[in-house]
Amino acid sequence: EVQLLESGGGLVQPGGSLRLSCAASGFTFSSYAMSWVRQAPGKGLEWVSVIYSGGSSTYYADSVKGRFTISRDNSKNTLYLQMNSLRAEDTAVYYCAKAVASHDAFDMWGQGTMVTVSS
Amino acid sequence: EIVLTQSPATLSLSPGERATLSCRASQSVSSFLAWYQQKPGQAPRLLIYDASNRATGIPARFSGSGSGTDFTLTISSLEPEDFAVYYCQQRGNWWTFGQGTKVEIK
Repeated sequence: EVQLLESGGGLVQPGGSLRLSCAASGFTFSSYAMSWVRQAPGKGLEWVSVIYSGGSSTYYADSVKGRFTISRDNSKNTLYLQMNSLRAEDTAVYYCAKAVASHDAFDMWGQGTMVTVSS
Repeated sequence: EIVLTQSPATLSLSPGERATLSCRASQSVSSFLAWYQQKPGQAPRLLIYDASNRATGIPARFSGSGSGTDFTLTISSLEPEDFAVYYCQQRGNWWTFGQGTKVEIK
């Protein structure tokens, strides 16, 4: 069964840091691009970052560029998101998502992990 | 950045009725347009990719059409489990989502 399981969310103060993890199983993790997508409470979906299969190519939304770092460990089938200098507007459910082979869409999503930035 | 505008914001329909959801892009995205369904407390689920291709396991009552800047998701006959929020998503230089259309029970 294809599965993505996020962890690492929680409550953090503004300016703080958090690292999210996403454990993948049921598919050849190293063959696919992976993304993080977030959803603020009661709001729509916002793409955050992508990392291609080899790990050398990464891209970020302008809203997180310079503060977030995406990475992956293909030997551990795990995706990461290091979040620094967190702001209140980063409060959201963070989903990891597997891209289809053409990178056009996301065909598998985790259940999400909640990040709350508040003092 | 390519902006996707979905309409209507809310669609009130009864089970068995046909639902037509629209997504308009601020510039051409060719056929690189996907549709997702999201129910409360759940992750999104891919329905349609490349404008008209149904994802694995998606029922035939869901269909997508369009290219360039104008796209449509059609649900031919609404089932009770289809009442949810639907998002379109494009892949240009980056990935962006529309703001969503809520399909609610009339």
